Amino acid sequence: AQSVTQPDIHITVSEGASLELRCNYSYGATPYLFWYVQSPGQGLQLLLKYFSGDTLVQGIKGFEAEFKRSQSSFNLRKPSVHWTDAAEYFCAVGEDTNAGKSTFGDGTTLTVKP
Amino acid sequence: GAGVSQSPSNKVTEKGKDVELRCDPISGHTALYWYRQSLGQGLEFLIYFQGNSAPDKSGLPSDRFSAERTGGSVSTLTIQRTQQEDSAVYLCASSFRRDNHEQFFGPGTRLTVL
Repeated sequence: AQSVTQPDIHITVSEGASLELRCNYSYGATPYLFWYVQSPGQGLQLLLKYFSGDTLVQGIKGFEAEFKRSQSSFNLRKPSVHWTDAAEYFCAVGEDTNAGKSTFGDGTTLTVKP
Repeated sequence: GAGVSQSPSNKVTEKGKDVELRCDPISGHTALYWYRQSLGQGLEFLIYFQGNSAPDKSGLPSDRFSAERTGGSVSTLTIQRTQQEDSAVYLCASSFRRDNHEQFFGPGTRLTVL
């Protein structure tokens, strides 16, 4: 069965600093990988996704993520964090079938210090 | 509508009562998912509908939980004889199958069982 681990429950960074959120997955076949963001009181919004091809994917709001098959990782990065980035971030892995069911990690809460 | 809608946004009920949660997916989306998000937790998959296929009910936690999707559009998640541990945010998502599994989430229904 597929699984997703987000090792960091809570991360605090200063505004303007760089950010990296870790995600490790377990899946036997080619994974479909996603990062979602959930702002307080909001639904989940897709930041970016990886299906195949270039292992460095660009997303919205200046985020990017790199797929590393050898490390079973899909870490999310942003070079300069803004206070509006404070939210909860979820990594997810989707089945390599047409079913599309995704397994989500437990999330990482990002706090941004002024 | 422009996005996935869910109703009610909040539901408070007494232990032992039945509740119904509604989801209106994005028009044209053939796949519909229900997830549960408990406080401080990630998303727990509940059930998945794809077109006219039999739903994937593998995530339903007990036989008190059921869901249906009428006419390939609106879905209702029913919880019978609610328990306090059912308190959570219930999220619905839909996707257009050919769009490689990207899921669009609704704002959720916050269920509180007293």
